[in-house]
Parts: sequence; structure tokens; C-alpha cells
Amino acid sequence: LAKTTQPISMDSYEGQEVNITCSHNNIATNDYITWYQQFPSQGPRFIIQGYKTKVTNEVASLFIPADRKSSTLSLPRVSLSDTAVYYCLVVDNQAGTALIFGKGTTLSVSS
Amino acid sequence: DAGITQSPRHKVTETGTPVTLRCHQTENHRYMYWYRQDPGHGLRLIHYSYGVKDTDKGEVSDGYSVSRSKTEDFLLTLESATSSQTSVYFCAISESGGASYEQYFGPGTRLTVT
Repeated sequence: LAKTTQPISMDSYEGQEVNITCSHNNIATNDYITWYQQFPSQGPRFIIQGYKTKVTNEVASLFIPADRKSSTLSLPRVSLSDTAVYYCLVVDNQAGTALIFGKGTTLSVSS
Repeated sequence: DAGITQSPRHKVTETGTPVTLRCHQTENHRYMYWYRQDPGHGLRLIHYSYGVKDTDKGEVSDGYSVSRSKTEDFLLTLESATSSQTSVYFCAISESGGASYEQYFGPGTRLTVT
């Protein structure tokens, strides 16, 4: 199965930009890379997805290089409410229906 | 928020007993998923369904079975619960499969097997 690697944790201060990178190999060539956010005692929530290059929405940007072996979630000017766990989601290259979540990165934002 | 409910929300059971968790949706989405979440492992797919009576295995399907007799309901059964199945279980739904379609998650079920 595809393997993903994310940092276990990151610390930041309010107002800073935070970049979280997920490394992934053996992912499907024809599917998106997606990121989710999870708060304690809740299910994950969709943040952003992309196929290649850069995608931006109202809350984040996603950078995907041409080889698609990694993706970087960028959170501009974080606030205390961005404290959460962030997961990347990819699809396995061999088992095209296999959804693989990363183990998650715990982001702690301080004032 | 997407209309997804899970029941029960919390359950404590003994090793060897059967357990069924229910996921109910009101969105009429075709795909439904069961994940388990454990510290250090993130979310792992157990089983998923792509239509009524159509199901397939995920990464960690051993010891679990599923059924989907109606579009809105997806059941996860632990035939004989073991302590290793103590976990938080999340149901999710999406319009279609793959990572391209946003998944909406339920609130989770915390299962403890003693």
C-alpha cells in the first residue's frame, strides 16, 4: 500500500504562516491529494484538495510538486482556533480504491 | 453539517461478544466508509460501500464485517470483539469514491472492549 509520512507535531504562534508537508509514494496517478482537519472529539473535516501545482481556497493553500511525491498544506496567519490535527489523504496506486490517511500532524498555536 | 449519525456513541463490551455499530445518513450519498482511529495510527479504513449490498475491504478489515441493505444505513459488526478492537470508529460518506470527493464524517463511536 501507499505510505505517507507527516511530522507528528508542530508548534506556532498566532499570526505566523504554517507549512505542513506530507510525503507519499505509490499513490494513484489519477486522483487528488486531500487534506483534512480534526478537532478533539469530532470527525475530520475537509480543508483542501489538489492534483498538481498550487490550489488556494479561503482557508489554506496546497502545493504539489510535479512528481507528486509530497504535498504541503499552508495555513496563512494561524490563530488559536487552528490548533488541531491535520491529515493528508491519498489513494493507493495499486489498489485504486484504497484510501490512505497520514498519521496526522498535531498543530499547536500559542498566543 | 452533513446529516450523519452514529449509534451508539459510546459502548463498553466484553471480549468475545458481538458488537454492531450503525451509521445513518440523510444525504443520499452513494459511498459510505468505516474507519478506526488509534493513537499513532491516524485513521485507517476498515470497509467501505459503493452502493446497496456493494461493499469492499479496506486496509484493516480482519475481524470486521459490514452490511448495507439500504442507502442510508451502513452497519459495522465485530463478530467476536477483542481488546485490540478498542478504538474510536468513524463513519464517513461521499458522493463518489477516491480522494477527489469530499468525505463527511460522523461524530464517532468510542468502543472499549474489556
